[in-house]
Amino acid sequence: DVKVTQSSRYLVKRTGEKVFLECVQDMDHENMFWYRQDPGLGLRLIYFSYDVKMKEKGDIPEGYSVSREKKERFSLILESASTNQTSMYLCASTGQGPLLGEKLFFGSGTQLSVL
Amino acid sequence: EDKVVQSPLSLVVHEGDTVTLNCSYEVTNFRSLLWYKQEKKAPTFLFMLTSSGIEKKSGRLSSILDKKELFSILNITATQTGDSAVYLCAVEAKYSGGGADGLTFGKGTHLIIQP
Repeated sequence: DVKVTQSSRYLVKRTGEKVFLECVQDMDHENMFWYRQDPGLGLRLIYFSYDVKMKEKGDIPEGYSVSREKKERFSLILESASTNQTSMYLCASTGQGPLLGEKLFFGSGTQLSVL
Repeated sequence: EDKVVQSPLSLVVHEGDTVTLNCSYEVTNFRSLLWYKQEKKAPTFLFMLTSSGIEKKSGRLSSILDKKELFSILNITATQTGDSAVYLCAVEAKYSGGGADGLTFGKGTHLIIQP
């Protein structure tokens, strides 16, 4: 079974702290994604990566950065956390090619609270 | 800008009722439309639709796509309390920012089945 593992299920941080959210997948997937999910707003794409060291901005990249040094690991970084970044963060991964949605696997999510 | 709109945003019905969830979209370079079910954690895949008029079925759930009118419906018959979840619609398209395909999600329909 494909596994997408997010390092923390719940995280509480203070405003201004640097926050790292880690995501690891074990299926040698090329594409990895970071979404945030907020009530009434659905899933919104923050960043994605289609190869090691490659990254692309999604729809809401402001206030975030990412790192993909190894194929299996995709990190989301909040340089200086703010209260409006309190949200559920979902990582996902899939292999190459079109029609990837059927093979898109999600992690269990990290509920981040910024106080 | 790609857009996916789901309706209704929330729905409360009684066990045994039939429900229809709607998803309309405006995207360029459409590849597929997907339905996911999200209970407490990660979204899980339900259906992928690429062709108009062909119904996909899995037990009490079914879905169909109309590529001319740019919408899809998800039907659930004889609903059960275990069907309570957020149902997400997503459209896969060539992502405008880069080389990989991307998924754009709707806000979801929160379905509550009352006993």
